[in-house]
Amino acid sequence: SQQGEEDPQALSIQEGENATMNCSYKTSINNLQWYRQNSGRGLVHLILIRSNEREKHSGRLRVTLDTSKKSSSLLITASRAADTASYFCATDAAGAQKLVFGQGTRLTINP
Amino acid sequence: ETGVTQTPRHLVMGMTNKKSLKCEQHLGHNAMYWYKQSAKKPLELMFVYSLEERVENNSVPSRFSPECPNSSHLFLHLHTLQPEDSALYLCASSQGPGTGGYEQYFGPGTRLTVT
Repeated sequence: SQQGEEDPQALSIQEGENATMNCSYKTSINNLQWYRQNSGRGLVHLILIRSNEREKHSGRLRVTLDTSKKSSSLLITASRAADTASYFCATDAAGAQKLVFGQGTRLTINP
Repeated sequence: ETGVTQTPRHLVMGMTNKKSLKCEQHLGHNAMYWYKQSAKKPLELMFVYSLEERVENNSVPSRFSPECPNSSHLFLHLHTLQPEDSALYLCASSQGPGTGGYEQYFGPGTRLTVT
């Protein structure tokens, strides 16, 4: 299985601090995506990074990809209470027509 | 608002009932998906439709029956479900066939409880 695995499973930090979540996967990919899910709601796409890219930024989000280690990280800087959610990585394997999601990291931002 | 709507938002049904979940996307996308999200389990892909043709069926029990009458609508017909089928069912759509590097847009989900 090329399922992504997020680490840690849960993270609790103070507002204003940075939050880092990691994702590891097992097989070659075309791209890796990060999604956010507020409790009981649908997922919202955050950022997509292709296999030939190493880093992407979007506002307070920074994503890195290391294909040699088959890993990615999502950094949220200057966290806010509204960032409280679950964050999922999803991999798009070469030749596949689907995304495979990890179990997610539950992020809690304490005011 | 992602442009993907799902109805109903909540559904309680008995094991002998027949019900349907509806998904509609207003984004002009060509691919649509059904996912199941249970507590403490990864998001499970159930079905993929590309240009109204089913291209993926992830060994889903026959008590779940998808239907895609056109590229904007997707249904999930439910019958004789089991309590373990209780979950959040999410619909998503994407621009191209399969994933092709495209992001997926999710609906808000239907919270299903089977009693």
